[in-house]
Amino acid sequence: GQQVMQIPQYQHVQEGEDFTTYCNSSTTLSNIQWYKQRPGGHPVFLIQLVKSGEVKKQKRLTFQFGEAKKNSSLHITATQTTDVGTYFCAGLHYKLSFGAGTTVTVRA
Amino acid sequence: DSGVTQTPKHLITATGQRVTLRCSPRSGDLSVYWYQQSLDQGLQFLIQYYNGEERAKGNILERFSAQQFPDLHSELNLSSLELGDSALYFCASSFGTAADEKLFFGSGTQLSVL
Repeated sequence: GQQVMQIPQYQHVQEGEDFTTYCNSSTTLSNIQWYKQRPGGHPVFLIQLVKSGEVKKQKRLTFQFGEAKKNSSLHITATQTTDVGTYFCAGLHYKLSFGAGTTVTVRA
Repeated sequence: DSGVTQTPKHLITATGQRVTLRCSPRSGDLSVYWYQQSLDQGLQFLIQYYNGEERAKGNILERFSAQQFPDLHSELNLSSLELGDSALYFCASSFGTAADEKLFFGSGTQLSVL
């Protein structure tokens, strides 16, 4: 069955530094969505990527969809304490499958 | 506030018991999804309803069942509870059935089975 893998599972970042989290699928995806779940909160939709090679930016967040539409990445620049949380990717291949998430902690 | 309402927020029960989790979707949304999130686990899709009909089934145990009512609220019934059923259960909603629609999640029900 379809599997969406996310790495790393945990990311400990110094405030002000950049980091990237990756999402890989075993199958070609129709699109990919990213969600953020703050500690104690619920997942909140961030963005959806549809086209091969698509890049979208939201302030300090840059989302990419791979050329083969089997992987995606989320890059955060100048990490802030407000970036703390778990970031999930969800890939669509007939059905939406969530990755296990990357949990981000920030050292002030 | 996502507009999706889940009750109760917390539920503590014993093994072998049965519980019901309730979800009201966002106004205008016809699809309701149920997800299970265990510690350090991702979101496991359980089941989807659209306008009262079951639309898609995921890794839902036979001890679990769900339904969506005419007013579009949904209930997830968990029976013969086991310790391993302890988890955060999320409901999400979307307008239609298109798999590429973004989901709006409720705040979840934290289930503890003792």
